[in-house]
Amino acid sequence: KNEVEQSPQNLTAQEGEFITINCSYSVGISALHWLQQHPGGGIVSLFMLSSGKKKHGRLIATINIQEKHSSLHITASHPRDSAVYICAVHSGGGADGLTFGKGTHLIIQP
Amino acid sequence: GAGVSQTPSNKVTEKGKYVELRCDPISGHTALYWYRQSLGQGPEFLIYFQGTGAADDSGLPNDRFFAVRPEGSVSTLKIQRTERGDSAVYLCASSLGRGTPEAFFGQGTRLTVV
Repeated sequence: KNEVEQSPQNLTAQEGEFITINCSYSVGISALHWLQQHPGGGIVSLFMLSSGKKKHGRLIATINIQEKHSSLHITASHPRDSAVYICAVHSGGGADGLTFGKGTHLIIQP
Repeated sequence: GAGVSQTPSNKVTEKGKYVELRCDPISGHTALYWYRQSLGQGPEFLIYFQGTGAADDSGLPNDRFFAVRPEGSVSTLKIQRTERGDSAVYLCASSLGRGTPEAFFGQGTRLTVV
């Protein structure tokens, strides 16, 4: 079973700061997702990565397959970025579902 | 529909009662997943359907939990004799199918067993 670890668990920052959230996993994967969850519970997919780097607006996601590590960066953070950010991996093989990290609770203060 | 739809959005039930949670996936998505998220935790896999069949139900915690997808679209997660420990957000996701892992999530159903 893949183990997915995220850090930090909680992060409070000031508006405008550069934010980094880290994710590491234990077993080779076919894809990694970064997800955003707001207090109501709904989940939005931000990125799906299998290699390299992706950018969307102020969000950047990178993955290092050899090191089994991914990072999510937020530039020029804003209070509306406050949410739980979850890393999830798709291992393929026998289990077709995603394995999730516990999430990083981000609060951006104005 | 435009996205994955889950109903109800909130459900409060008494201990021992039976509940059904519904997921309506994106049209054309053959793969459907149920996850359960307890407070402060990441979601955990429950069951995966490919079409009408449950391809992997290894995440169902016990035989009180059952899910169906009779026509390969809408799925219902059924919980018998609910317990307070079943309280969680139940998330549904769908994708185009095996080998296409990008999943789209519903808003979840928040189940509270009192």
